[in-house]
Amino acid sequence: TQLLEQSPQFLSIQEGENLTVYCNSSSVFSSLQWYRQEPGEGPVLLVTVVTGGEVKKLKRLTFQFGDARKDSSLHITAAQPGDTGLYLCAGAKSGGSNYKLTFGKGTLLTVNP
Amino acid sequence: KAGVTQTPRYLIKTRGQQVTLSCSPISGHRSVSWYQQTPGQGLQFLFEYFSETQRNKGNFPGRFSGRQFSNSRSEMNVSTLELGDSALYLCASSLAGRNEQYFGPGTRLTVT
Repeated sequence: TQLLEQSPQFLSIQEGENLTVYCNSSSVFSSLQWYRQEPGEGPVLLVTVVTGGEVKKLKRLTFQFGDARKDSSLHITAAQPGDTGLYLCAGAKSGGSNYKLTFGKGTLLTVNP
Repeated sequence: KAGVTQTPRYLIKTRGQQVTLSCSPISGHRSVSWYQQTPGQGLQFLFEYFSETQRNKGNFPGRFSGRQFSNSRSEMNVSTLELGDSALYLCASSLAGRNEQYFGPGTRLTVT
């Protein structure tokens, strides 16, 4: 059972375009994280969202946590080739020391120059 | 501060053999988790160690095992390798009480 569904699975766009990727679940999470993974490397943490409705911005990236804490979105403005990578969301079912992260399968983004 | 390191980076083994992978966490991080990443299944949680004790375990067969040493370094072992074990194995460390993962570059295991 895939707890976190990410869409789209693949996305290929031109430099300068805007895009939104989604992370959806029927479960409630105490927090949700977004990672970016480049070829040959491990995922790198971009952001953690904790509060329902929370919006966080990281330069051209905007992350939103759904009001019910079941879903999240990542919006990239004016995408650049350096944004290319696999974007993964991960949900935590409980906080503190007894957690278990569940990862989505990711959205593979290609930004063409 | 140095990041998470994993050795070896690449490994080729044959079916039936066993393999040991190594991970050194970020200094000060006492929690180490292991993940298996494949194109079909994505990133799947194997187990987590904290202060030399396995604290959480994913849904993998007993052929997959791990341990953590007093300096927080960790190893994972896979015995009786199968073709389906071919994957990128990622190690991640985190601060006590936090679940943000800091990943190493991974070990690419190919089983032939």
